[in-house]
Amino acid sequence: AQKVTQAQTEISVVEKEDVTLDCVYETRDTTYYLFWYKQPPSGELVFLIRRNSFDEQNEISGRYSWNFQKSTSSFNFTITASQVVDSAVYFCALSDPEETSGSRLTFGEGTQLTVNP
Amino acid sequence: GAGVSQSPRYKVAKRGQDVALRCDPISGHVSLFWYQQALGQGPEFLTYFQNEAQLDKSGLPSDRFFAERPEGSVSTLKIQRTQQEDSAVYLCASSSRSRDSYSNQPQHFGDGTRLSIL
Repeated sequence: AQKVTQAQTEISVVEKEDVTLDCVYETRDTTYYLFWYKQPPSGELVFLIRRNSFDEQNEISGRYSWNFQKSTSSFNFTITASQVVDSAVYFCALSDPEETSGSRLTFGEGTQLTVNP
Repeated sequence: GAGVSQSPRYKVAKRGQDVALRCDPISGHVSLFWYQQALGQGPEFLTYFQNEAQLDKSGLPSDRFFAERPEGSVSTLKIQRTQQEDSAVYLCASSSRSRDSYSNQPQHFGDGTRLSIL
C-alpha cells in the first residue's frame, strides 16, 4: 500500500522567513513519481513539481526548492523568503504505477502554511 | 479558459436526493480522475477514465456512486440517495499521455464542487 505522511499540520511564519514542509512516503514500487500541489483558499489544486524516483537531484525554481532523498523516503519542500501569497495548504502526493491505475495520486493530509506580514 | 472546468461550484441537496456533478477536462487530455476531499483532509481517489473506458473504480465508496465519460471528454459523477457523509469537495483532474512517457503526466485539477447534504 502507498502512504504519504505530512507530519506538520500547520506552520505559521513571518514574511521573508524560510520554511520547509516535510513529506515522507511509503511504497513497495521501485518506480514512482512524487508531486507537490498548492491549494489556495479558492480550492483549486495547483501543480508545483513532479519528481521521478530515479532522479534524486534537488531542484530549484525561483524561491521554491525540493530535496528528494530516496534513502529516507522523503521529499521535502522549501520556500525561501516566504511571502503572504504563499499562504495555502500544500499537499505532497505519490503516484501509483500506470499499469494498475493510470497514475492515481495518493495524497498526504496537507500542511496549512500561513505567512504573516 | 483552458483549464479543467467543474460545475456546479456549490451544490446543496437534501439527504436522499440524487446529485450529478460535471467535469469538463482540458481539451485532448486522455486521462480523467475524480477525487473526494473531506474537510481538512487530502484528496482521496475515486475513479479513473482513459478516454471513455473506466479502468479503475476501486475508490468509489459505495454502489450509490457512479461515474461515466461516454464520449471520452466530459465526465459526470452521480451520487444516488445522498447521505450526510457524502458532504465533501469533489475534485476532477485530467492529464495527457505522451508517446515516450505513458504515465504520470501531471494531473491538472478543477476548482471542485462543494457538496453539502442536509
